[in-house]
Amino acid sequence: SQQGEEDPQALSIQEGENATMNCSYKTSINNLQWYRQNSGRGLVHLILIRSNEREKHSGRLRVTLDTSKKSSSLLITASRAADTASYFCATDPTLSGGYNKLIFGAGTRLAVHP
Amino acid sequence: DVKVTQSSRYLVKRTGEKVFLECVQDMDHENMFWYRQDPGLGLRLIYFSYDVKMKEKGDIPEGYSVSREKKERFSLILESASTNQTSMYLCASSLMAQGSTDTQYFGPGTRLTVL
Repeated sequence: SQQGEEDPQALSIQEGENATMNCSYKTSINNLQWYRQNSGRGLVHLILIRSNEREKHSGRLRVTLDTSKKSSSLLITASRAADTASYFCATDPTLSGGYNKLIFGAGTRLAVHP
Repeated sequence: DVKVTQSSRYLVKRTGEKVFLECVQDMDHENMFWYRQDPGLGLRLIYFSYDVKMKEKGDIPEGYSVSREKKERFSLILESASTNQTSMYLCASSLMAQGSTDTQYFGPGTRLTVL
């Protein structure tokens, strides 16, 4: 079952521009996480936002969470070519039975051109 | 740093073969997970384990089994590989057991092709 759905599926921007990716989900959550995947590699955790938080920052990353709309956004400011990757949101549903069982979306492919 | 390793980056097998994918983590994590990743579908959970010898089915367990004899090692087994199991397989681990929130640490993935 796919909980998170990212939008857009693909995004192409120039270096220095900001990149915004959105994630929508269906059920109540404990937290929402964003991961990054370089081509053909494993995923790397970027940032976690809990259900009682509305905004979180980490370096050039800014994440917002709107639990009333069941949506989140990831903003990457001043993008660099090295930010080229796929970005996934993952939700930790409240009714998943624990065990840190996340549900991942299909991802947004970001291409940053020099 | 947490390290999650997978036995192979690329693997080519024939239909009907028994396939073992191995995953090892070095940080004493309780939880371990196996996902498959296909274009447009994201990551789908096959099986997970929250303790040695304990396993739970994920969303797509059909055609797969798992084994966790030691805390650091979680194996995914394809009893009789089929072409529709051609995919990228990702292993992950996380620190805490039930009731906690935590991030998952991923291995580099195994790209399996079944001919």
